[in-house]
Amino acid sequence: GDSVTQMEGPVTLSEEACLTINCTYTATGYPSLFWYVQYPGEGLQLLLKATKADDKGSNKGFEATYRKETTSFHLEKGSVQVSDSAVYFCALSTGNQFYFGTGTSLTVIP
Amino acid sequence: GAGVSQSPSNKVTEKGKDVELRCDPISGHTALYWYRQSLGQGLEFLIYFQGNSAPDKSGLPSDRFSAERTGGSVSTLTIQRTQQEDSAVYLCASSLRGRELSWNEQFFGPGTRLTVL
Repeated sequence: GDSVTQMEGPVTLSEEACLTINCTYTATGYPSLFWYVQYPGEGLQLLLKATKADDKGSNKGFEATYRKETTSFHLEKGSVQVSDSAVYFCALSTGNQFYFGTGTSLTVIP
Repeated sequence: GAGVSQSPSNKVTEKGKDVELRCDPISGHTALYWYRQSLGQGLEFLIYFQGNSAPDKSGLPSDRFSAERTGGSVSTLTIQRTQQEDSAVYLCASSLRGRELSWNEQFFGPGTRLTVL
């Protein structure tokens, strides 16, 4: 069935380090892909999305490219900040159901 | 405008008691979702409401769980005879249109943390 698999955490990085959080998916058809972020004590909020192959979603310095050939949607940021500390969820929408990954906790230390 | 709100933010109950969790979606959003987030787990889909259609209850883990959405707006998730394994954060989300539009963004509430003693 349809599913999302994302990199296990937790991830700890120093400020200004590069970030990659891997996400791969299994889906029939042409899903939309999302990254949601959950800051401490808050609800999930959309970080970025891509609705078709080769689309790149970007927001707040984060990017992710919808790669159909590798069924991936990896989240990247070139230089993380302490304020990026949060849990990141990869998600997939098939038009029939939403599927979320298990979340990856990121801690950025000064 | 206001986002999705949920109440209470925290609920502690004794095993065997019933609890009700409330969700107020964003005004005008036709779709409403309930999820459960357990420690170290992803979001587990529970139930989906879209307009006046019959809800998709396929994610409810047992018949102790039920939900309703009155007037196409506020929703209540009820857990009867709570068990310790029900302890989790219960998240509500709404979206402007239904999930058949795969690009549709969900807006999440802050969640209700349920602890069953």
